[in-house]
Amino acid sequence: DQQVKQNSPSLSVQEGRISILNCDYTNSMFDYFLWYKKYPAEGPTFLISISSIKDKNEDGRFTVFLNKSAKHLSLHIVPSQPGDSAVYFCAATGGTYKYIFGTGTRLKVLA
Amino acid sequence: NAGVTQTPKFQVLKTGQSMTLQCAQDMNHNSMYWYRQDPGMGLRLIYYSASEGTTDKGEVPNGYNVSRLNKREFSLRLESAAPSQTSVYFCASSGGQATGELFFGEGSRLTVL
Repeated sequence: DQQVKQNSPSLSVQEGRISILNCDYTNSMFDYFLWYKKYPAEGPTFLISISSIKDKNEDGRFTVFLNKSAKHLSLHIVPSQPGDSAVYFCAATGGTYKYIFGTGTRLKVLA
Repeated sequence: NAGVTQTPKFQVLKTGQSMTLQCAQDMNHNSMYWYRQDPGMGLRLIYYSASEGTTDKGEVPNGYNVSRLNKREFSLRLESAAPSQTSVYFCASSGGQATGELFFGEGSRLTVL
């Protein structure tokens, strides 16, 4: 049973436009959510996180939105840049030290 | 600043052979993790160690064993490798609070023939 789902395997966006990556979760015990970026042949790197006590967190071009009632979070990248082309993973944890990741979305930013 | 170091980076095994993936972190982190990445499956948690002296199963623990050797090191052992264990393995660590950022190593690519 996939507790964290990223239903879009891929996304293409023009440079300068907004990229929106989505993530859904099923476990209501999750209370902390993270986004990671991964380039080929490298380990995932942390981008941004959000606690369940918030509904929005911003860091530069990256904003994460959390809708607890819908069990949905999204990552907005504005403006998108070619260097943002990578695989993005969302992850969730519920205070048990277990971090569950989604299947990833491959973002391609077109110049 | 090494962070999380995994060895080996590449390995080819025959079915039935055993091997151990090594992971070490130099950030004085309490918690350590092993994930595998497969196409279309994302990152799946194999085992984790919330603190030195403890280990717990993740989502896909079958066929693996782990050892938290000390605070720095967390190894993953395949006792009898199977082709289904062909994957890229990632070790990660975190400061040890139940929430916080995971820091990943660069990965170990394992092929089982």
